[in-house]
Amino acid sequence: ETGVTQTPRHLVMGMTNKKSLKCEQHLGHNAMYWYKQSAKKPLELMFVYNFKEQTENNSVPSRFSPECPNSSHLFLHLHTLQPEDSALYLCASSPRLAGGAETQYFGPGTRLLVL
Amino acid sequence: AQSVSQHNHHVILSEAASLELGCNYSYGGTVNLFWYVQYPGQHLQLLLKYFSGDPLVKGIKGFEAEFIKSKFSFNLRKPSVQWSDTAEYFCAVKLRRSKLTFGTGTRLQVTL
Repeated sequence: ETGVTQTPRHLVMGMTNKKSLKCEQHLGHNAMYWYKQSAKKPLELMFVYNFKEQTENNSVPSRFSPECPNSSHLFLHLHTLQPEDSALYLCASSPRLAGGAETQYFGPGTRLLVL
Repeated sequence: AQSVSQHNHHVILSEAASLELGCNYSYGGTVNLFWYVQYPGQHLQLLLKYFSGDPLVKGIKGFEAEFIKSKFSFNLRKPSVQWSDTAEYFCAVKLRRSKLTFGTGTRLQVTL
């Protein structure tokens, strides 16, 4: 039990669809993250939120739109995606953002397939 | 920017064999080091971490890692692997106030 849940676990969408990924953490953390995990590539950090404020956008295309309504919930809104966006999208949380000594806790991920 | 190298992409071992997975990073300053594991169909979970102090770190399930600052390395070891250790292992490095940087992962397959 990681305390970080993600829904849906699997998603298939067409390039013209709009969908959203949801992440919820039950750990009382204040920082949340979206990562993209593609085959044979390192995990790519996409977005970072700290106390609901976005602190990092790692040059992510605008077809990915994050939303953080509170410290426990994080969304990733998807629209007009491309087939190369197919990947495992991971959410993570940590107690806070400052400093290096923070362990991130990951959710199970959403496996996304864009047709 | 820091980078993390995991040179072994796929390792196949028999049960009871010893394991060592390499991890090297590019930055010479103060770093925090992590090993995460992802079992088939499961989420990424922390195996062990090094922040400071004893460079030999012990984690869960009999794993350990040694931080060698002079070699910029944080290799993961286990004296005797089990079939249940079959998973993908990720090394990650974090500098103060920077993002967590992951290696490409090493897929470990343990055969009976």
